[in-house]
Amino acid sequence: QQPVQSPQAVILREGEDAVINCSSSKALYSVHWYRQKHGEAPVFLMILLKGGEQKGHEKISASFNEKKQQSSLYLTASQLSYSGTYFCGTETAGNKLTFGGGTRVLVKP
Amino acid sequence: EADIYQTPRYLVIGTGKKITLECSQTMGHDKMYWYQQDPGMELHLIHYSYGVNSTEKGDLSSESTVSRIRTEHFPLTLESARPSHTSQYLCASRLQDYEQYFGPGTRLTVT
Repeated sequence: QQPVQSPQAVILREGEDAVINCSSSKALYSVHWYRQKHGEAPVFLMILLKGGEQKGHEKISASFNEKKQQSSLYLTASQLSYSGTYFCGTETAGNKLTFGGGTRVLVKP
Repeated sequence: EADIYQTPRYLVIGTGKKITLECSQTMGHDKMYWYQQDPGMELHLIHYSYGVNSTEKGDLSSESTVSRIRTEHFPLTLESARPSHTSQYLCASRLQDYEQYFGPGTRLTVT
């Protein structure tokens, strides 16, 4: 079953923060985060394994709450380059990623 | 930098033609995937493979077929293209439980 992402879209001013959420109804083995810019392929950002860990990439970090089967992606002090569509991919024990519907992020100067 | 390649990058073809989209990776990844994605929309898994001679259909029903005769090669074939097949097709690969890398995609237009 497809994970649910929220919000569907967010508009930020450069330097502002945002949070993107990803939730699943299934027990998750891992959560993956990707960013896709217009006309390009998704680019891997980070992977979180069950255990509630937190990871970072530039000023982008993420957490995984395995009890709630939720992950959150934090965009801190956003830059223009952060614009794009963010996808979470969730994985159960079957090793097959299922992607959410995406969150469109637009960072304005 | 992921070494995963797709050809052609763009293809415009008429209805009824047979086409094969190529995907190759040089990383020795065991798992490979095909996704279909309309512009700005979600990714739909159409086929996947966990190794040589192993292929499975994904979550989205597709009229395409795949083969995995070599570890590095995972082509997707449409026997008879239709306008409803117009979309972007993304190939991806992965080593065991690690991160998944996407190829640059093939934009297919069926007229």
